[in-house]
Amino acid sequence: SQTIHQWPATLVQPVGSPLSLECTVEGTSNPNLYWYRQAAGRGLQLLFYSVGIGQISSEVPQNLSASRPQDRQFILSSKKLLLSDSGFYLCAWIGFNYGYTFGSGTRLTVV
Amino acid sequence: GEDVEQSLFLSVREGDSSVINCTYTDSSSTYLYWYKQEPGAGLQLLTYIFSNMDMKQDQRLTVLLNKKDKHLSLRIADTQTGDSAIYFCAERDNFNKFYFGSGTKLNVKP
Repeated sequence: SQTIHQWPATLVQPVGSPLSLECTVEGTSNPNLYWYRQAAGRGLQLLFYSVGIGQISSEVPQNLSASRPQDRQFILSSKKLLLSDSGFYLCAWIGFNYGYTFGSGTRLTVV
Repeated sequence: GEDVEQSLFLSVREGDSSVINCTYTDSSSTYLYWYKQEPGAGLQLLTYIFSNMDMKQDQRLTVLLNKKDKHLSLRIADTQTGDSAIYFCAERDNFNKFYFGSGTKLNVKP
């Protein structure tokens, strides 16, 4: 069966520090992968998506970047975090019935 | 992007039916979805409906789609306290892009 893993579950980082969030998918090959951010009390904002290794599309200009070094690995990064980067970050892939399957999320607090 | 709108809050008593509404603007939507998010967790796919369907029932869940008015609803029968969560409506367009509403927080009172 297909599963998606995200880590860490929570993260508290100081302003100006780097960030690396990892997402991996098991049980499928060449998945379409997505990074979303959910600000407190708000809906989901698509940040990046990838249709294959090395292919990244950015939806909004921001302080973040994404990479896909392997078929089933998707990484969200930042060189220097801002306070506004705080939020709940969700990785997803299109799976069952063409709907998203989401990871369990990473709660990032920038202090 | 497309606009998907939902009311922010809904409060019901345990045992009552809940109806969560959603409107969207993209007439080329292929699938429409309902997701559930419990506190501190990711989103869980609850159900979906093809854009050429009017209704779909799955146990306590009933999805109604009015394509003319671009209105989607989720009815939860016999609502339980465990149904308390945020419910997101989402549409998928022909280019495989998804657009989410801002979520409806359902509060079920015992």
